[in-house]
Amino acid sequence: EAQVTQNPRYLITVTGKKLTVTCSQNMNHEYMSWYRQDPGLGLRQIYYSMNVEVTDKGDVPEGYKVSRKEKRNFPLILESPSPNQTSLYFCASKQDRDNYGYTFGSGTRLTVV
Amino acid sequence: AQSVTQPDIHITVSEGASLELRCNYSYGATPYLFWYVQSPGQGLQLLLKYFSGDTLVQGIKGFEAEFKRSQSSFNLRKPSVHWSDAAEYFCAVGSPGGGADGLTFGKGTHLIIQP
Repeated sequence: EAQVTQNPRYLITVTGKKLTVTCSQNMNHEYMSWYRQDPGLGLRQIYYSMNVEVTDKGDVPEGYKVSRKEKRNFPLILESPSPNQTSLYFCASKQDRDNYGYTFGSGTRLTVV
Repeated sequence: AQSVTQPDIHITVSEGASLELRCNYSYGATPYLFWYVQSPGQGLQLLLKYFSGDTLVQGIKGFEAEFKRSQSSFNLRKPSVHWSDAAEYFCAVGSPGGGADGLTFGKGTHLIIQP
């Protein structure tokens, strides 16, 4: 089954403790992206990647890092999480730059206390 | 910069009634337009998309949307809603030619279905 898999689904952590949210897609998509969803704000793009070793900032990149060492994986790294990063995170992928048929993962609900 | 406005935060509709969710966009040319649905605890699922051509677009689950250039709108419609349609609906705009812009989402409309 074609899908984007995120882990974990739920995570509670403490301020300052580094964490990684994994994202993997099995569709051989070139584009991958991370969004965060907050009440009243909709979805906002954090980082995106157009291919292996090619990443760039989205609209709200502060406090986040990403890497794209393999085509299928696009982890989101929070080096020093803060409470304002409590949010619902979605990873998404699409085939190429002109195909906007994004496939979304099921989401990761992160709480930073 | 592109932007999307969904004027209705919540909409309540009786089961079996018709539905229209509003979406207005701001973009310099004809954008790519999308509607996504998010069921409780789930990710986003693509309902339909408009790239070019026929301005009335059919999607999954009986939804359709109409692109109106003169009104910068892309409203979502369904003739008869079911209780399972209760969800959050997001309109999104992307830039033709793809690339760095990704998608810009509206803030969402929460659809409540009354029995």
